[in-house]
Amino acid sequence: DAGITQSPRHKVTETGTPVTLRCHQTENHRYMYWYRQDPGHGLRLIHYSYGVKDTDKGEVSDGYSVSRSKTEDFLLTLESATSSQTSVYFCATGPSLNTEAFFGQGTRLTVV
Amino acid sequence: QQQVKQSPQSLIVQKGGISIINCAYENTAFDYFPWYQQFPGKGPALLIAIRPDVSEKKEGRFTISFNKSAKQFSLHIMDSQPGDSATYFCAASRGYYGGSQGNLIFGKGTKLSVKP
Repeated sequence: DAGITQSPRHKVTETGTPVTLRCHQTENHRYMYWYRQDPGHGLRLIHYSYGVKDTDKGEVSDGYSVSRSKTEDFLLTLESATSSQTSVYFCATGPSLNTEAFFGQGTRLTVV
Repeated sequence: QQQVKQSPQSLIVQKGGISIINCAYENTAFDYFPWYQQFPGKGPALLIAIRPDVSEKKEGRFTISFNKSAKQFSLHIMDSQPGDSATYFCAASRGYYGGSQGNLIFGKGTKLSVKP
């Protein structure tokens, strides 16, 4: 998995609570991504980062924020979790644009 | 608007048969077309990828066929094995164009089952 660690791997949280997912990489890749995977929707990009403190929105960014204070760490925060954010979240990294992305093992988040 | 359309959603193939998964894209600026393989409980992993300067790329039993004029590309798995049973995703991305980023856009996935 190209040295990508996601934590936690599983989480159950209540509606309205904030949640932070962490992605840690040891590959020194410049680019980092957060995707969510839902049945029938494939993988959809939430936010991405192209360097420390450089982030931008993806296709489904509403209700999510990200931060990247170090090359190796990319955090995804759900400001106030909703049931529609129940999903499997994948972090990915890549050395450059328009090339292979390496995925972590995923975090299964359930919002009750 | 879905930019990469993948079909079929699911596919059942007998062991030894050929599995074919198709993808169509809309944006002619796309110039990187990978296929990812995902097993249950795991993250997607790159299987094979192609760029539009070639019409076909083969790696072992896996082949990508690319048709630039039709804006389509497909994955062929020859001599399919039960161990190939997984979900397959096509994707596309483009190089940097004045503010854009080369982020991968994925199809919705195909669940392949190879029966013994």
